[in-house]
Amino acid sequence: DTGVSQDPRHKITKRGQNVTFRCDPISEHNRLYWYRQTLGQGPEFLTYFQNEAQLEKSRLLSDRFSAERPKGSFSTLEIQRTEQGDSAMYLCASSSPGQRWRSSGANVLTFGAGSRLTVL
Amino acid sequence: AQTVTQSQPEMSVQEAETVTLSCTYDTSESDYYLFWYKQPPSRQMILVIRQEAYKQQNATENRFSVNFQKAAKSFSLKISDSQLGDAAMYFCAYVKEPRNYGGSQGNLIFGKGTKLSVKP
Repeated sequence: DTGVSQDPRHKITKRGQNVTFRCDPISEHNRLYWYRQTLGQGPEFLTYFQNEAQLEKSRLLSDRFSAERPKGSFSTLEIQRTEQGDSAMYLCASSSPGQRWRSSGANVLTFGAGSRLTVL
Repeated sequence: AQTVTQSQPEMSVQEAETVTLSCTYDTSESDYYLFWYKQPPSRQMILVIRQEAYKQQNATENRFSVNFQKAAKSFSLKISDSQLGDAAMYFCAYVKEPRNYGGSQGNLIFGKGTKLSVKP
């Protein structure tokens, strides 16, 4: 297992174009998260999946953003009609629920290296 | 709303010396988790250490330890015997314990980070 993989690592696009990012989580992890990180800020939560179900969505996730996890494995994050304000690092993370919430490894997030989006 | 504050945008430490990074948080919850994550330049975020709020004993992981003051809502990270490889952004993060068994920790709240430089 090579950890959480994200593709592409860097995407440069023109304003108004659509972009899609892919995340492949650790295979035994059933939980998958998307975060956005802008320059000088900490990551901000966007959305969360448990298996194929999208259970939480942040108010940051405008209607131009859509995330899917169709088979409960990899996930995609699509941004339609990109704006310059969408320029950021998009981080994916995964976790397993563990036997108990308070067990030592439960719910610890493993992050990918991120996909950097630059909107010109 | 819960918030996490890191008041030191940048810190510097001499190799082999000790440095302490500060973090304060605001919450009305009594059960929660606190984390320190490390993000090296152009590399993925990794977990350094975590603290359960219900535990009075401070967490330690090799050269990393925390000073958790629940009443003061303070959660500082101490790095002993600093090494060049410790240079990175360090993020403090908070998540409340879910009400139900097996619930998610999707909405991890991060501070803005502290950039740590290590001088040889």
